[in-house]
Amino acid sequence: KQEVTQIPAALSVPEGENLVLNCSFTDSAIYNLQWFRQDPGKGLTSLLLIQSSQREQTSGRLNASLDKSSGRSTLYIAASQPGDSATYLCAVTRYSTGNQFYFGTGTSLTVIP
Amino acid sequence: GAVVSQHPSRVICKSGTSVKIECRSLDFQATTMFWYRQFPKKSLMLMATSNEGSKATYEQGVEKDKFLINHASLTLSTLTVTSAHPEDSSFYICSASEGTKNIQYFGAGTRLSVL
Repeated sequence: KQEVTQIPAALSVPEGENLVLNCSFTDSAIYNLQWFRQDPGKGLTSLLLIQSSQREQTSGRLNASLDKSSGRSTLYIAASQPGDSATYLCAVTRYSTGNQFYFGTGTSLTVIP
Repeated sequence: GAVVSQHPSRVICKSGTSVKIECRSLDFQATTMFWYRQFPKKSLMLMATSNEGSKATYEQGVEKDKFLINHASLTLSTLTVTSAHPEDSSFYICSASEGTKNIQYFGAGTRLSVL
């Protein structure tokens, strides 16, 4: 069964810092990987989607990379802002079990003004 | 982008009552919908996969008689928590995918509190 792990579980940084969130998955047979943001008590906001054939995606201050063979993805956030404070989840989908997501454990990010 | 509407956003009920949560795809036909549960400070765990016109497929450990899922049309799936108890209190989120597209769109979630 696919297992998705995120490190660190929590991260606190001063405003303006660049930071990296890590995601690892045990089975490299994925279809795509997606990074989400979740604010407290809210649903999910999709940030970036990387297909298995891609190595990275960029949107504004966010850059996500994917190394499928090693089972790793990173989310890079440049020039962090207090509004970036949220929980970040990565999730993968897999061919053989349909297209449901397997979610990581999440990283809770706090950006201190 | 595609929109998935989930209703209600929050519900408080007494122990023993049943609660229905709706998940609607507003601008596309969702052949498959998924229901997730999230415990406090935990990640989302898949409860069941719902395909239009057929019985839902439940993940191991999820009681199908407790969590009734109906996917009667291509735009609507419902999750009914039957005879809810305080341990059922949680955050429930649905998602929907369109046809063969392997992209899911998530609802905003439902916070269920059972007293």
